[in-house]
Amino acid sequence: QTVVTQEPSFSVSPGGTVTLTCGLSSGSVSTTSYPSWYQQTPGQAPRTLIYSTSSRSSGVPDRFSGSILGNKAALTITGAQADDESDYYCVIYMGNGIWVFGGGTKLTVL
Amino acid sequence: QVQLQESGPGLVKPSETLSLTCSVSDYSISTGYYWGWIRQPPGKGLEWIGSIYHGGNTYYNPSLKSRVTVSVDTSKNQFSLKLTSVTAADTALYFCARIIAVANLKGFDVWGRGTLVTVSS
Repeated sequence: QTVVTQEPSFSVSPGGTVTLTCGLSSGSVSTTSYPSWYQQTPGQAPRTLIYSTSSRSSGVPDRFSGSILGNKAALTITGAQADDESDYYCVIYMGNGIWVFGGGTKLTVL
Repeated sequence: QVQLQESGPGLVKPSETLSLTCSVSDYSISTGYYWGWIRQPPGKGLEWIGSIYHGGNTYYNPSLKSRVTVSVDTSKNQFSLKLTSVTAADTALYFCARIIAVANLKGFDVWGRGTLVTVSS
């Protein structure tokens, strides 16, 4: 079964820019993988950030952006703030109604 | 604003069946969208379990397919999850979610708050 890969952890300085990625153990992520991104603090429900590569969910600030970089999906956070410190998950649509989540990236802002 | 709320037993015995319901408010399930279940074991990542279209088509995680049933009750505006033969590995925070899957727009857009299910004797 295909595994969706994410960096286990990342750190960014306040005000800085960070790019998290989401890849596949076999093959490339493209727009037809409809990658989406979610922010989660422990014990809370995920918050939807980005659908379908780059469509921002309602109410999400424009410092969160999604794209395809090479063969991976990417989530870029510009002007990082303390409350961006969270876990970030991507999910890939495999077709035929099947979704696979990545293992998540723990982002530290310090 | 559509809201989702999970409900069901918080404790299930090993080998028994886990049953959860997601109640949907301020949106009629029969109108459209897909509806899904996702879980998160303590300290671990998210795992998609299965989804259902309002018309009844179902889709399951291959690794759980033999034990999972997702169903919808449009008269109650609810959808449900059944997971059979549970073990301690099924202990998790279970979320329900609405799924957009139209044209070029796909993703999980609205989430319930989650309900913790512990499998223990």
